[in-house]
Amino acid sequence: EAEVAQSPRYKITEKSQAVAFWCDPISGHATLYWYRQILGQGPELLVQFQDESVVDDSQLPKDRFSAERLKGVDSTLKIQPAELGDSAMYLCASAPVWDSNSPLHFGNGTRLTVT
Amino acid sequence: GQNIDQPTEMTATEGAIVQINCTYQTSGFNGLFWYQQHAGEAPTFLSYNVLDGLEEKGRFSSFLSRSKGYSYLLLKELQMKDSASYLCAVRDRDYKLSFGAGTTVTVRA
Repeated sequence: EAEVAQSPRYKITEKSQAVAFWCDPISGHATLYWYRQILGQGPELLVQFQDESVVDDSQLPKDRFSAERLKGVDSTLKIQPAELGDSAMYLCASAPVWDSNSPLHFGNGTRLTVT
Repeated sequence: GQNIDQPTEMTATEGAIVQINCTYQTSGFNGLFWYQQHAGEAPTFLSYNVLDGLEEKGRFSSFLSRSKGYSYLLLKELQMKDSASYLCAVRDRDYKLSFGAGTTVTVRA
């Protein structure tokens, strides 16, 4: 079964440093999501793409976070500068289209620790 | 915004049945999903409900009442491997998917 690929699997960085995460969705999936999951909580949507366009980034802290999906395939999420409160699991998910009953398929995530 | 509530923790014995409730308040409704998440792993899709009623899939069943803003996930014949967090997620009128905090189920021998 096709999977959503994410890297790195783990990342430790010092506060004020820059960090980037990469995601490659399932082939053919037009919709891509970045979620943040703090330990003990449910995933929280950061940004949603439809092809290369941002559909929803209302919860993305734009002063420090940025996301892009330049060719409408893979995507990068960046944090600069990282803060202690950014320590969390960053999950990427994809779906064929955004307005259907298709479930989201999640990658294994990147666990970020900011020291 | 969305408000999705589910119990924090549940414990049950191997072979037993556990029911995880989820109540929600959303701006519009376009479906409810249940996901399973083992510690340190990605959420995996379990079930989807958009119409009222019961959806059965092997040992797992999910029920929806749209008028009550209520769903439950039923896990039957519990196995040790079912120990995990179970996430209720609701799609609103804009098809935005929001998650509850998750219910940690512990299965004991």
